[in-house]
Amino acid sequence: GENVEQHPSTLSVQEGDSAVIKCTYSDSASNYFPWYKQELGKGPQLIIDIRSNVGEKKDQRIAVTLNKTAKHFSLHITETQPEDSAVYFCAASGYNQGGKLIFGQGTELSVKP
Amino acid sequence: ETGVTQTPRHLVMGMTNKKSLKCEQHLGHNAMYWYKQSAKKPLELMFVYSLEERVENNSVPSRFSPECPNSSHLFLHLHTLQPEDSALYLCASSQDFGREGFGQPQHFGDGTRLSIL
Repeated sequence: GENVEQHPSTLSVQEGDSAVIKCTYSDSASNYFPWYKQELGKGPQLIIDIRSNVGEKKDQRIAVTLNKTAKHFSLHITETQPEDSAVYFCAASGYNQGGKLIFGQGTELSVKP
Repeated sequence: ETGVTQTPRHLVMGMTNKKSLKCEQHLGHNAMYWYKQSAKKPLELMFVYSLEERVENNSVPSRFSPECPNSSHLFLHLHTLQPEDSALYLCASSQDFGREGFGQPQHFGDGTRLSIL
């Protein structure tokens, strides 16, 4: 089955710097890759997603890139702010998963003012 | 507003108690999910319902019993739980499940924090 590895597990950046979180997946048939942000005491919130027919997607300060050949995708946050501090999860899904999302282990991002 | 509401937000129960978790989605979705989130572990999918029919049961112990009376409501009935069942239980919904093999965005509630004494 699909396996998703996420790195790093913790990331600390200074306010205004960029943050990058990377995920690798094992099933080349996976075609949908969402990213979730989970703040303390809250459930995961979808922040951006990408399908396998595009290589990059941007939404203001966040962007996701997908490299299908290498089977990895990354979340990029620019001009980080303290309110970006949270746990971020990547996930992968596709035909072989029957629509289920397979999640990475999570990255705890800390943005220091 | 997440569109997915879970109650209660916190629950403390003894191992011999029986309790239920409730989830309600206001998004008009056809699929609903239960996940378990433990510290330092990825989200674990427990159950999936599509159009009120259970389509996935990931080897979950029988002390967890789901119920989906309609496409907007999902319950998780709990009985004789173990200390290792203490976790955050998350409900999610999506428009459909597994349609044509394409994954879909899932929308999560804020979870029920369950503590087993």
